[in-house]
Amino acid sequence: EIVLTQFPATLSLSLGERATLSCRASQSVNSYLAWYQQKPGQAPRLLIYDASNRATGIPARFSGSGSGTDFTLTISSLKPEDFAVYYCQQRGNWPHITFGPGTKVDIK
Amino acid sequence: EVHLEESGGGLVQPGGSLRLSCAASGFAFDTYSMNWVRQAPGKGLEWISYISSSSDTIYYADSVKGRFTVSRDNAKNALYLQMNSLRAEDTAVYYCPRGYAFFDYWGQGTLVTVSS
Repeated sequence: EIVLTQFPATLSLSLGERATLSCRASQSVNSYLAWYQQKPGQAPRLLIYDASNRATGIPARFSGSGSGTDFTLTISSLKPEDFAVYYCQQRGNWPHITFGPGTKVDIK
Repeated sequence: EVHLEESGGGLVQPGGSLRLSCAASGFAFDTYSMNWVRQAPGKGLEWISYISSSSDTIYYADSVKGRFTVSRDNAKNALYLQMNSLRAEDTAVYYCPRGYAFFDYWGQGTLVTVSS
């Protein structure tokens, strides 16, 4: 099983600041990594797939990068609606899909 | 508009059974793979099952293999999860996201609580 590690566990930032979230895989997943946003009481929402492709309707302030084992989700300038938990998910050894433990972005 | 709605959750005793349903609308259901993903209270996401568009390919996570069965009825635009031999650790919100290897649409989930 490919294990995903996300860091930091919590990121405390102010409105307008840049957020950088990291996801590391225990072995290479090529570019087969996605990012999701989840707010309390809501279902996850797909933000990024295949490491760097924004999903339909996702604002340009969200961007993804990386390949192999190290990946980054960047939010260029935080808006109030961006405070949430973010999960990475790999499909490198499909169908054994796994998710990371999440990074919580909260207001400083 | 794509819409997925899970139902069938509730309180069940350990060892019991439950059948979840997922009603799909707004897209050509019979052309998409579907999944079940669960989230224990306050925890992260766990993929548990995949079914191809024509039901010819099915996979399960080890944590539910032999106890859960996924199926679909393309004529009814519906996905199902039969859950048997339920355990306390199966307590979670269950989602039925669409997709092959990443999940672009999700329902709001249905809560399954396994407790005596």
